[in-house]
Amino acid sequence: DAMVIQNPRYQVTQFGKPVTLSCSQTLNHNVMYWYQQKSSQAPKLLFHYYDKDFNNEADTPDNFQSRRPNTSFCFLDIRSPGLGDAAMYLCATSRGREQFFGPGTRLTVL
Amino acid sequence: GESVGLHLPTLSVQEGDNSIINCAYSNSASDYFIWYKQESGKGPQFIIDIRSNMDKRQGQRVTVLLNKTVKHLSLQIAATQPGDSAVYFCAERQIKAAGNKLTFGGGTRVLVKP
Repeated sequence: DAMVIQNPRYQVTQFGKPVTLSCSQTLNHNVMYWYQQKSSQAPKLLFHYYDKDFNNEADTPDNFQSRRPNTSFCFLDIRSPGLGDAAMYLCATSRGREQFFGPGTRLTVL
Repeated sequence: GESVGLHLPTLSVQEGDNSIINCAYSNSASDYFIWYKQESGKGPQFIIDIRSNMDKRQGQRVTVLLNKTVKHLSLQIAATQPGDSAVYFCAERQIKAAGNKLTFGGGTRVLVKP
């Protein structure tokens, strides 16, 4: 089945140690999104790629970066994770009207 | 700034009863309103959406109502089942915005009692 895959599902990192989260899709969608979702809160958009064009949200910290080497893959890099970055990170894709979400990666920062 | 928000953080409902989840929005420029269901440990799952030029749309056991006069959106679930227990988010999309970005509301947790 076509889907959005996120690896790993759970990631533990140390304060200040760079971490990369991965997302892949088999839907061949041209838009990919990264959201941060903290406990009991709504997903918050960090940035998205429209094809190769990167679009950053105005309030996304510089600590968060992203790469999209090809249509299928997108990465979220957190350069120096702080305790406040502990959250669920959701990847989503779309070609138009609907966004399809992956299962998320839960990040713990020690 | 523009925002989408919910009135009730938690809704407890008896199995078999109907559920109504409410959402208030403030951005009149949104073209689509969407309801997502998020089960514990999973990503949001699309339930149903409605265009801004519609008042009502029905799906399987779900109905979305849009009242543009008071900027109010609701999701009705008929004959609520245990599998409906989840957090429900409303979201709005400005179709002309780059990448069809979504703005999510605060979420309502639905607990179905057996």
